[in-house]
Amino acid sequence: DTEVTQTPKHLVMGMTNKKSLKCEQHMGHRAMYWYKQKAKKPPELMFVYSYEKLSINESVPSRFSPECPNSSLLNLHLHALQPEDSALYLCASSQDLQLGREKLFFGSGTQLSVL
Amino acid sequence: GDSVTQMEGPVTLSEEAFLTINCTYTATGYPSLFWYVQYPGEGLQLLLKATKADDKGSNKGFEATYRKETTSFHLEKGSVQVSDSAVYFCALSDQAGTALIFGKGTTLSVSS
Repeated sequence: DTEVTQTPKHLVMGMTNKKSLKCEQHMGHRAMYWYKQKAKKPPELMFVYSYEKLSINESVPSRFSPECPNSSLLNLHLHALQPEDSALYLCASSQDLQLGREKLFFGSGTQLSVL
Repeated sequence: GDSVTQMEGPVTLSEEAFLTINCTYTATGYPSLFWYVQYPGEGLQLLLKATKADDKGSNKGFEATYRKETTSFHLEKGSVQVSDSAVYFCALSDQAGTALIFGKGTTLSVSS
């Protein structure tokens, strides 16, 4: 199994809603990532988890709250989002944190619309 | 800081044409270089990579050579197909090797 699975594929939420994005991989990877991608733009790194501990937080607003319950799962909890947060949210994983000679596996993403 | 610059798109080609997408980088140290491809409605897939100077990455007919002297990693394919239509991202691993820095992406459209 070489897949990173993200659910849901599409999500529409209001600015007062609370929702969660989920990501799962069964490749034994110990590093997992959240990226945000606006239309026609490159992905931007949000968070990195290494061995279930938050390793990198790229100054992301607190309305985004990541969680890594175990080595296979990664969640992104959303609360009080703004319309400008509408984007494709991509999860990725790699064998470990040293990317130089490794490969990032991306999920297909969750297309989020905030109304 | 480290950065990647790739040619603006869109690039529009006929089937079987030759493809070049330029990519140059700025980095301290010796980053690894990557090309990722994103098909419509999907996440990114690694197309090829090179980890040191003069390495050539290749996959599915695509090639790119890590040129340290020109700080470049241009993507080439001798004969494109309609199925190659996608967005192509050049990327490098940052100094710590912990994250990818992406270029802005180049949209390729191939018509039959």
